[in-house]
Amino acid sequence: DVKVTQSSRYLVKRTGEKVFLECVQDMDHENMFWYRQDPGLGLRLIYFSYDVKMKEKGDIPEGYSVSREKKERFSLILESASTNQTSMYLCATATPSNQPQHFGDGTRLSIL
Amino acid sequence: RKEVEQDPGPFNVPEGATVAFNCTYSNSASQSFFWYRQDCRKEPKLLMSVYSSGNEDGRFTAQLNRASQYISLLIRDSKLSDSATYLCVVWGSNYKLTFGKGTLLTVNP
Repeated sequence: DVKVTQSSRYLVKRTGEKVFLECVQDMDHENMFWYRQDPGLGLRLIYFSYDVKMKEKGDIPEGYSVSREKKERFSLILESASTNQTSMYLCATATPSNQPQHFGDGTRLSIL
Repeated sequence: RKEVEQDPGPFNVPEGATVAFNCTYSNSASQSFFWYRQDCRKEPKLLMSVYSSGNEDGRFTAQLNRASQYISLLIRDSKLSDSATYLCVVWGSNYKLTFGKGTLLTVNP
């Protein structure tokens, strides 16, 4: 069974802090994704990666960066956290066919 | 037209009812289509893929109409456990999936 683990379920940070969200998968999937989910806006793609050291911008990359140094780990970085980045963050993985996408449990991030 | 558009609901139906959700998409070059299910405070999970010929999985039937650019999900004989948010998902190109905002279904006893 695919296991996608996000480092924290709940996280509270302050405005201006640098925030790291980690995602680790154990299925050797090539593709990894970071989404955020907000009420009324649904799931929106921030960044994705289809190989180690490769990254592509999603629909809302502003204010975020990512790192994929190892195949199993995909990190989302908030360079200088702002209150509008308070959200539920979901990591997902997939084979090159992109289906199905397996999601982690999510990290509910609050920026104060 | 939004990339992927769904009726947000909520849909409140009694047990045993048949309920249908529709979803429209704007990119005629979209390649693949899916329905995901998301329970409250849980992550989305793939419910079923949607094929051009239509496909069925038990009480669930998915259909695709490329000419009109919409997909549908039909749930027959609704169970309490079907209560969830149903997400329409479209795969266009460049590895990108686009998720609809979801339709909330509540099945009542």
